[in-house]
Amino acid sequence: KAGVTQTPRYLIKTRGQQVTLSCSPISGHRSVSWYQQTPGQGLQFLFEYFSETQRNKGNFPGRFSGRQFSNSRSEMNVSTLELGDSALYLCASSPRVGQGNNEQFFGPGTRLTVL
Amino acid sequence: AQKVTQAQTEISVVEKEDVTLDCVYETRDTTYYLFWYKQPPSGELVFLIRRNSFDEQNEISGRYSWNFQKSTSSFNFTITASQVVDSAVYFCALSEAMGGSQGNLIFGKGTKLSVKP
Repeated sequence: KAGVTQTPRYLIKTRGQQVTLSCSPISGHRSVSWYQQTPGQGLQFLFEYFSETQRNKGNFPGRFSGRQFSNSRSEMNVSTLELGDSALYLCASSPRVGQGNNEQFFGPGTRLTVL
Repeated sequence: AQKVTQAQTEISVVEKEDVTLDCVYETRDTTYYLFWYKQPPSGELVFLIRRNSFDEQNEISGRYSWNFQKSTSSFNFTITASQVVDSAVYFCALSEAMGGSQGNLIFGKGTKLSVKP
Protein backbone atom coordinates (compact mmCIF):
# COMPACT_ATOMS: atom_id res chain seq x y z
CA LYS A 1 0.00 0.00 0.00
CA ALA A 2 1.25 3.44 -0.84
CA GLY A 3 1.76 5.75 2.11
CA VAL A 4 0.45 9.22 2.66
CA THR A 5 1.62 11.56 -0.06
CA GLN A 6 1.90 15.31 0.15
CA THR A 7 2.48 17.82 -2.60
CA PRO A 8 4.42 19.91 -3.09
CA ARG A 9 7.31 18.91 -0.86
CA TYR A 10 8.81 22.38 -0.81
CA LEU A 11 7.26 25.76 -1.39
CA ILE A 12 8.50 29.32 -1.21
CA LYS A 13 6.02 32.16 -1.03
CA THR A 14 6.06 35.82 -0.10
CA ARG A 15 4.07 37.59 2.56
CA GLY A 16 0.50 38.31 1.60
CA GLN A 17 0.24 35.46 -0.89
CA GLN A 18 -1.90 32.41 -0.41
CA VAL A 19 -0.95 28.77 -0.67
CA THR A 20 -2.69 25.44 -1.13
CA LEU A 21 -1.19 22.17 0.08
CA SER A 22 -2.42 18.76 -0.93
CA CYS A 23 -2.58 15.44 0.86
CA SER A 24 -3.55 12.02 -0.44
CA PRO A 25 -4.26 9.55 2.36
CA ILE A 26 -3.53 5.86 2.38
CA SER A 27 -6.04 4.02 0.25
CA GLY A 28 -9.11 3.22 2.30
CA HIS A 29 -8.38 5.78 4.98
CA ARG A 30 -11.18 8.28 5.42
CA SER A 31 -9.82 10.55 8.13
CA VAL A 32 -7.20 13.18 7.37
CA SER A 33 -5.59 15.46 9.91
CA TRP A 34 -3.20 18.36 9.42
CA TYR A 35 -0.44 19.49 11.75
CA GLN A 36 1.94 22.43 11.70
CA GLN A 37 5.48 21.96 12.95
CA THR A 38 7.69 24.92 13.84
CA PRO A 39 10.85 25.09 15.94
CA GLY A 40 9.18 27.37 18.45
CA GLN A 41 5.73 25.85 18.86
CA GLY A 42 6.48 22.27 17.94
CA LEU A 43 3.76 20.10 16.45
CA GLN A 44 0.32 21.64 16.61
CA PHE A 45 -2.98 20.26 15.40
CA LEU A 46 -4.69 22.27 12.66
CA PHE A 47 -7.81 20.33 11.72
CA GLU A 48 -9.29 16.94 11.02
CA TYR A 49 -11.59 15.90 8.21
CA PHE A 50 -13.74 12.85 7.87
CA SER A 51 -16.21 12.14 5.08
CA GLU A 52 -15.71 15.62 3.66
CA THR A 53 -16.64 17.28 6.96
CA GLN A 54 -14.37 19.17 9.28
CA ARG A 55 -14.62 17.31 12.52
CA ASN A 56 -12.28 19.24 14.72
CA LYS A 57 -10.19 22.36 14.51
CA GLY A 58 -7.15 23.54 16.40
CA ASN A 59 -6.42 27.00 17.67
CA PHE A 60 -5.41 28.70 14.44
CA PRO A 61 -6.72 31.87 12.80
CA GLY A 62 -9.30 31.76 10.07
CA ARG A 63 -6.59 32.26 7.45
CA PHE A 64 -6.04 28.53 7.78
CA SER A 65 -8.72 26.47 6.11
CA GLY A 66 -9.10 23.07 4.60
CA ARG A 67 -11.39 20.72 2.82
CA GLN A 68 -11.74 17.08 1.97
CA PHE A 69 -12.97 15.59 -1.25
CA SER A 70 -15.13 12.56 -1.83
CA ASN A 71 -12.04 10.44 -2.54
CA SER A 72 -10.69 11.45 0.91
CA ARG A 73 -7.94 13.60 -0.54
CA SER A 74 -7.54 16.80 1.40
CA GLU A 75 -6.25 20.27 0.81
CA MET A 76 -5.35 23.00 3.21
CA ASN A 77 -5.17 26.65 2.32
CA VAL A 78 -3.42 29.51 4.03
CA SER A 79 -4.37 32.98 2.91
CA THR A 80 -2.50 36.25 3.47
CA LEU A 81 0.70 34.48 4.41
CA GLU A 82 2.78 35.78 7.28
CA LEU A 83 6.43 35.11 8.07
CA GLY A 84 5.34 33.03 11.05
CA ASP A 85 3.54 30.60 8.77
CA SER A 86 6.89 29.19 7.67
CA ALA A 87 6.74 25.62 8.86
CA LEU A 88 6.59 21.98 8.00
CA TYR A 89 2.99 21.02 7.35
CA LEU A 90 2.27 17.38 8.04
CA CYS A 91 -0.73 15.43 6.92
CA ALA A 92 -1.82 12.23 8.65
CA SER A 93 -4.41 9.70 7.65
CA SER A 94 -6.33 7.21 9.69
CA PRO A 95 -8.79 4.49 8.73
CA ARG A 96 -11.54 5.79 11.00
CA VAL A 97 -12.59 8.96 12.69
CA GLY A 98 -10.86 9.39 15.97
CA GLN A 99 -11.92 8.06 19.27
CA GLY A 100 -8.41 8.79 20.35
CA ASN A 101 -7.01 5.39 19.67
CA ASN A 102 -6.50 5.54 15.96
CA GLU A 103 -2.98 5.23 14.78
CA GLN A 104 -2.24 8.10 12.45
CA PHE A 105 0.07 7.58 9.50
CA PHE A 106 2.03 10.64 8.53
CA GLY A 107 3.20 11.89 5.18
CA PRO A 108 6.62 13.44 4.51
CA GLY A 109 5.30 16.96 4.91
CA THR A 110 5.38 20.15 2.89
CA ARG A 111 8.09 22.61 3.85
CA LEU A 112 6.65 26.12 3.42
CA THR A 113 8.96 29.11 3.53
CA VAL A 114 7.44 32.58 3.61
CA LEU A 115 9.76 35.42 2.62
CA ALA B 1 -5.87 20.90 30.25
CA GLN B 2 -4.10 18.36 28.14
CA LYS B 3 -0.36 18.57 27.99
CA VAL B 4 2.66 16.45 27.16
CA THR B 5 6.07 17.34 28.56
CA GLN B 6 9.35 16.01 27.29
CA ALA B 7 11.86 17.66 29.56
CA GLN B 8 14.91 16.43 27.68
CA THR B 9 15.49 18.66 24.69
CA GLU B 10 18.60 16.88 23.44
CA ILE B 11 20.43 13.74 24.41
CA SER B 12 23.75 12.55 23.06
CA VAL B 13 25.03 9.04 23.63
CA VAL B 14 27.69 6.78 22.26
CA GLU B 15 26.66 3.75 20.28
CA LYS B 16 25.68 0.72 22.37
CA GLU B 17 24.69 2.82 25.34
CA ASP B 18 21.17 2.52 26.72
CA VAL B 19 19.10 5.68 26.70
CA THR B 20 15.73 6.58 28.22
CA LEU B 21 13.50 9.32 26.86
CA ASP B 22 11.10 10.77 29.40
CA CYS B 23 7.48 11.71 28.82
CA VAL B 24 5.03 13.15 31.33
CA TYR B 25 1.42 13.86 30.42
CA GLU B 26 -1.60 15.65 31.83
CA THR B 27 -5.21 14.85 31.10
CA ARG B 28 -8.54 14.84 32.88
CA ASP B 29 -9.90 12.01 30.80
CA THR B 30 -9.98 8.52 32.24
CA THR B 31 -9.69 7.04 28.78
CA TYR B 32 -6.77 8.21 26.75
CA TYR B 33 -4.04 6.96 24.50
CA LEU B 34 -0.33 7.55 24.48
CA PHE B 35 1.96 7.35 21.51
CA TRP B 36 5.59 7.57 20.58
CA TYR B 37 6.68 8.74 17.16
CA LYS B 38 10.13 8.95 15.61
CA GLN B 39 11.05 11.75 13.20
CA PRO B 40 14.25 11.10 11.25
CA PRO B 41 15.91 13.94 9.32
CA SER B 42 13.66 13.20 6.34
CA GLY B 43 10.79 14.71 8.33
CA GLU B 44 8.21 11.95 8.22
CA LEU B 45 6.78 10.91 11.57
CA VAL B 46 7.08 7.17 12.10
CA PHE B 47 4.69 5.48 14.50
CA LEU B 48 6.39 3.41 17.20
CA ILE B 49 3.78 2.47 19.78
CA ARG B 50 0.29 3.17 21.14
CA ARG B 51 -0.90 2.38 24.65
CA ASN B 52 -4.33 2.93 26.15
CA SER B 53 -4.89 4.18 29.67
CA PHE B 54 -6.24 0.86 30.89
CA ASP B 55 -3.19 -1.12 29.93
CA GLU B 56 -0.21 -0.41 32.12
CA GLN B 57 1.69 -3.44 31.04
CA ASN B 58 5.15 -2.53 29.86
CA GLU B 59 6.05 -3.46 26.33
CA ILE B 60 9.23 -4.58 24.67
CA SER B 61 9.87 -4.64 20.96
CA GLY B 62 13.40 -5.61 20.06
CA ARG B 63 15.72 -2.95 21.44
CA TYR B 64 12.78 -0.70 22.31
CA SER B 65 10.83 -0.80 25.55
CA TRP B 66 8.17 1.39 27.08
CA ASN B 67 7.34 1.96 30.74
CA PHE B 68 3.82 3.28 31.38
CA GLN B 69 3.05 4.40 34.93
CA LYS B 70 -0.31 6.04 35.60
CA SER B 71 0.68 6.87 39.16
CA THR B 72 3.31 9.29 37.90
CA SER B 73 1.60 10.09 34.55
CA SER B 74 4.68 8.97 32.71
CA PHE B 75 5.27 6.99 29.56
CA ASN B 76 9.01 6.59 29.16
CA PHE B 77 10.83 5.07 26.22
CA THR B 78 14.09 3.16 26.48
CA ILE B 79 16.40 2.19 23.65
CA THR B 80 18.80 -0.56 24.58
CA ALA B 81 22.19 -0.81 22.88
CA SER B 82 21.59 2.33 20.83
CA GLN B 83 22.69 2.52 17.21
CA VAL B 84 23.55 5.42 14.93
CA VAL B 85 20.32 4.77 13.01
CA ASP B 86 18.38 5.62 16.16
CA SER B 87 19.42 9.24 15.78
CA ALA B 88 16.22 11.22 15.33
CA VAL B 89 13.75 13.40 17.14
CA TYR B 90 11.34 11.40 19.26
CA PHE B 91 7.88 12.67 20.11
CA CYS B 92 5.53 11.54 22.80
CA ALA B 93 1.86 12.28 22.13
CA LEU B 94 -1.50 12.07 23.89
CA SER B 95 -4.96 11.55 22.47
CA GLU B 96 -8.13 11.68 24.49
CA ALA B 97 -11.22 9.60 23.88
CA MET B 98 -13.76 12.09 25.13
CA GLY B 99 -12.02 15.36 25.84
CA GLY B 100 -11.66 18.43 23.71
CA SER B 101 -8.83 16.94 21.74
CA GLN B 102 -10.76 13.83 20.81
CA GLY B 103 -9.02 12.11 17.98
CA ASN B 104 -6.22 14.63 17.79
CA LEU B 105 -2.67 14.16 18.86
CA ILE B 106 -1.19 16.49 21.45
CA PHE B 107 2.56 16.34 21.06
CA GLY B 108 5.41 17.03 23.39
CA LYS B 109 8.21 19.28 22.15
CA GLY B 110 10.31 16.27 21.25
CA THR B 111 13.70 14.95 22.31
CA LYS B 112 16.52 15.01 19.80
CA LEU B 113 18.63 11.91 20.20
CA SER B 114 22.11 11.81 18.71
CA VAL B 115 23.91 8.49 18.74
CA LYS B 116 27.61 8.81 17.97
CA PRO B 117 29.69 5.93 16.64
